[in-house]
Amino acid sequence: GAVVSQHPSRVICKSGTSVKIECRSLDFQATTMFWYRQFPKQSLMLMATSNEGSKATYEQGVEKDKFLINHASLTLSTLTVTSAHPEDSSFYICSAIPRWQVNVVRGYTFGSGTRLTVV
Amino acid sequence: GNSVTQMEGPVTLSEEAFLTINCTYTATGYPSLFWYVQYPGEGLQLLLKATKADDKGSNKGFEATYRKETTSFHLEKGSVQVSDSAVYFCALGSANQAGTALIFGKGTTLSVSS
Repeated sequence: GAVVSQHPSRVICKSGTSVKIECRSLDFQATTMFWYRQFPKQSLMLMATSNEGSKATYEQGVEKDKFLINHASLTLSTLTVTSAHPEDSSFYICSAIPRWQVNVVRGYTFGSGTRLTVV
Repeated sequence: GNSVTQMEGPVTLSEEAFLTINCTYTATGYPSLFWYVQYPGEGLQLLLKATKADDKGSNKGFEATYRKETTSFHLEKGSVQVSDSAVYFCALGSANQAGTALIFGKGTTLSVSS
C-alpha cells in the first residue's frame, strides 16, 4: 500500500510555456503532500507543503506565482510551472502523507519524479 | 533548526567490499531517522528507518543504528553488489510535528564495480 504516482515522468517544453505535474496517491487519501526540487547531483530542496483544501505553504525563496500548487482533493496535488525557462529545468518529486498517519515514524512515500527540460 | 550532514561522495567500491556512509544530525526533541535510496532516473525509496535511540533499522543487507549520544545514523553493508549503485540520502523527521516535511542530507553517490 501507500503508492504515489507522479505524471508525467519526463516532459520537454518550450521556454515561456506552462507545464503541469500531477501527484496522485493511488491507494490512500493524503491530507498533506510535499513538493521537492532536485538539481543534478544535489539534495532535495523542499519547495512547498500542500494541504488539501487550503493554500500551499511555500518555502523561502520559492516563487508562488511561478510554481502554482493545487491540492483540490485528498488524492491529487498538482504543480504547475508557469512561463517556464531553462533555469526551471530540474527533477521534481512529490511526497505524500496518508490521512491516517499522524507522525513521521513510518516515513513518507515518494513519487517517481518528473524530469522537466525547458528548451 | 534541524539539519542532516552526510559524507560527501562519490564512494567507489569493488563488489563485495564493506560500505559505510556517515550521517550525523542536529535536532530538537526525538526525531525519526531514515535512509532513502534513489536509483538513476527514479524517485526515492525508503531503505530503512529508526524511530528511537539504539534502534537498528535494516533492509536488503543494509543496517543503521540510531545513536543519540553521537547524533549519528551511519549506513553500513557488509558486502555490496553492483546493483547497490545509487544515491543514498539520510533524512530526519520530527516525530513531534505531524505533517512536516523530511529534511534530507545532500546525498552520497555509491558506485560499485564488478
